[in-house]
Amino acid sequence: SQQGEEDPQALSIQEGENATMNCSYKTSINNLQWYRQNSGRGLVHLILIRSNEREKHSGRLRVTLDTSKKSSSLLITASRAADTASYFCATAVNNAGNMLTFGGGTRLMVKP
Amino acid sequence: DVKVTQSSRYLVKRTGEKVFLECVQDMDHENMFWYRQDPGLGLRLIYFSYDVKMKEKGDIPEGYSVSREKKERFSLILESASTNQTSMYLCASSSPQVPYEQYFGPGTRLTVT
Repeated sequence: SQQGEEDPQALSIQEGENATMNCSYKTSINNLQWYRQNSGRGLVHLILIRSNEREKHSGRLRVTLDTSKKSSSLLITASRAADTASYFCATAVNNAGNMLTFGGGTRLMVKP
Repeated sequence: DVKVTQSSRYLVKRTGEKVFLECVQDMDHENMFWYRQDPGLGLRLIYFSYDVKMKEKGDIPEGYSVSREKKERFSLILESASTNQTSMYLCASSSPQVPYEQYFGPGTRLTVT
C-alpha cells in the first residue's frame, strides 16, 4: 500500500507564481524526500528532510515537515515552464532506509 | 554523474512471451531496484537487490523474477507476459552510504498485446 499521498493530483499555474504540493504519510519516518519526474523520464531526487527538521531550503524549493500531522509540503517559488513535471514524495519503509515507498504524485503544469 | 541505463525505451511483446528488461548502473552501487509505474498508483516496488545474487520481494513481485549476476546489472524477467503487465518499468540504484537517494533510469514502456 502507498505510504505517501500527494495533494493535489494536478496543479496548473502561470509562470512566476508559486506552486505548493502536499504529501501525507501513515507511519513514523526517519526522513522524507521529494522527487521530480519529467514526462516520460526517470525520477530525479530533489531534496530530503529529516524527521527532526521542520523546514529545509534548496534554491527555489522549500520543504516543510510536520511529524505530528504526518504531512509535508513542497513549495516551488517563482515557477518556470521548466518546472512542469510530476512531483513525488517518498519515505523509507525499512530500517536501512533503502526501500522507498512513493505517493501517487502531483502533476504540475507551469504555463509560460 | 551517476548513470542508470535501461536496455529499451519502448517494448511491445505478445501475451505469453518471456520478457527480459535489463538495467545497468555505472556507480558501483550495491542497491538496485525495479519499479512499475501506473497512472494514479505512483511507483510500486517489484524487487530489490542489495548485493550480487541477493534479492528481496517488494510490494508486487507476482509474475516477475529478477537476476543479479554482476554488481552493475539487474534484470527483470516476466516469465509469461500478460496484458496486465503493460506498464512503465523503472530501474534505480543507490549506495548503502546514501540509501535514500535513488538514481533512476529513463524507464521502459512495455506494452503486452
